[in-house]
Parts: sequence; C-alpha cells; structure tokens
Amino acid sequence: QQQVKQSPQSLIVQKGGISIINCAYENTAFDYFPWYQQFPGKGPALLIAIRPDVSEKKEGRFTISFNKSAKQFSLHIMDSQPGDSATYFCASYGGATNKLIFGTGTLLAVQP
Amino acid sequence: ETGVTQSPTHLIKTRGQQVTLRCSSQSGHNTVSWYQQALGQGPQFIFQYYREEENGRGNFPPRFSGLQFPNYSSELNVNALELDDSALYLCASSRGQGRYEQYFGPGTRLTVT
Repeated sequence: QQQVKQSPQSLIVQKGGISIINCAYENTAFDYFPWYQQFPGKGPALLIAIRPDVSEKKEGRFTISFNKSAKQFSLHIMDSQPGDSATYFCASYGGATNKLIFGTGTLLAVQP
Repeated sequence: ETGVTQSPTHLIKTRGQQVTLRCSSQSGHNTVSWYQQALGQGPQFIFQYYREEENGRGNFPPRFSGLQFPNYSSELNVNALELDDSALYLCASSRGQGRYEQYFGPGTRLTVT
C-alpha cells in the first residue's frame, strides 16, 4: 500500500508538443502529491504540487490532473522545450510516516 | 533566501568505514529529511528530523543514524559501510513536519569500494 507507480519509464516528445506522465497510488491516506524535476548530477527540484481537494492545478506550462476515485494523477507539460529534458518524479505523502514516497521516474527527452 | 546546501559533494570510502554527511536547511525551515537515491531510481526516505528529534524513519538499518542541531542543520552518519550504500544522498528541508513542500539540496555522491 506504500507504492507509487509511474509511467512511462521514458518519453520522447517533439518541441512544442505535450508531455504526459502518469502516476498511481494505493494508499488512500495519501493527501499531498508533488512532482519533481531532476537534471543529471543535481537534486530534485519541486515543480508543482496538488492536494486532493482539487482536480487540477496549473502553473505556467505545467498542469497536474488529479483523479481521487481512481487514485491517479498526472503531469502535463505544454509546449515542451528542449530545456525540459530531465527526469521527472511523482511523489505521494500522507499518513503517519512523515515521508515522501517517490515513483520510479520518467526520463523525458524533448527533441528540437 | 539561501537554499539547501550539502557537503561534501563527492566522497569515496572503503567498505567497513564510517561516513558523515552534512546538510544546512533553507532559511526559515525547521525540518530536515534524508533520502538515498540509487542510480536510475527514485529517492528512498531514510528519516526525518524535527526540532532535533527523529520524526519518522524508512526501511533502513540502525547503522544509518542522524542528528539535527539547534540551527536546524543536520548530519547523516552511516557506519560499517557496504558496497550497496553507494548512492546519491539527498537532504530536503521544509517548514514543518506535516504536508509542507520539501526542497532538496544538490546531494552528496558516495562511492563505497
């Protein structure tokens, strides 16, 4: 019940296209869902986060869609740029453990 | 506002040795969490410190231990190093122990030979 499943493992998108990464969680006690972006040799950087009281949150080109009944959430990157090429991690938080549980990551490559 | 900093950047140790990694939290943050990230995987939670006390622990053996100081900086200590301990060790700080945004440092790359 502590897993967060992320797909796809890798993704290639053309410049200007939409990148979509999906995550599914099991524990209904999870109540905070951030997305992180990580470049090689760097620590993860917080991109955007959502709580389950809303179904969508948008910040610039990044949008999280949240489906509480299906226990799924996704990251949409609009107008993808080569500079967006990185590994993206979804995560879930909640319950009594005070820990973020991360997905396995998606390696995004945006081709010029 | 100063971000999360970690030291050292890289470290090479021999199996069986002990290592100490350091983290300075972001200004205004009182909670520090430590994560281990193996190559090609997502970060795995080691433990969290809030007000100088351990406040949650992941599935790591007792040879992984930590400290938090009054200025909210933190140390991660690993005893009896094993080859599988080779990883990127990440520190994240947040405003509290609850559902607050966690901001990560650049990490310390530990190699155990």
